[in-house]
Amino acid sequence: SAVISQKPSRDICQRGTSLTIQCQVDSQVTMMFWYRQQPGQSLTLIATANQGSEATYESGFVIDKFPISRPNLTFSTLTVSNMSPEDSSIYLCSARGGGTEAFFGQGTRLTVV
Amino acid sequence: QQQVKQSPQSLIVQKGGISIINCAYENTAFDYFPWYQQFPGKGPALLIAIRPDVSEKKEGRFTISFNKSAKQFSLHIMDSQPGDSATYFCAASFTGGGNKLTFGTGTQLKVEL
Repeated sequence: SAVISQKPSRDICQRGTSLTIQCQVDSQVTMMFWYRQQPGQSLTLIATANQGSEATYESGFVIDKFPISRPNLTFSTLTVSNMSPEDSSIYLCSARGGGTEAFFGQGTRLTVV
Repeated sequence: QQQVKQSPQSLIVQKGGISIINCAYENTAFDYFPWYQQFPGKGPALLIAIRPDVSEKKEGRFTISFNKSAKQFSLHIMDSQPGDSATYFCAASFTGGGNKLTFGTGTQLKVEL
């Protein structure tokens, strides 16, 4: 199994600012994903982070709001831009190796005030 | 068609009892069905997974039952323990869909002494 580390684990941010979340995997993986989870709710996929190319966004999520980078096979970042209180949520990084199993980081709990 | 419906929303089971959580899906292209366990403040952890070519998979106290014709699958937790108290998510994905996971709404399980 892959071990996924996310930083920061939590943050409180002012509205209108941006936060970049880092995701580091302890081994090379083929696929990386970013999810959002409202407290007590299910997980919603934001985008697939593609290595060396632009991320693939799900319906309702756009690059200007959630720019994603993936410079190599073990690292990705998600930026939450121009934040509003509605962006308060838990953001989760996920990775998949050569198989079908997907592993998750511990999440970043974001509060926008 | 991408939805995965999960029930019940919450479940209280006595220690030693059997916990049963059910999921149903519509997309017949789904070919991978994992269950995740999530504790408060943690990311989801893969518990057990099944593919549609088998009707049941057992790992320790955890069993997945799969009914392809009914498009349903369920998680059974035998001899439930207080340490099993967590939120459980079913999910589904298919190879042609980029292996992206679609999650159920979650079941909050509480195992009482």
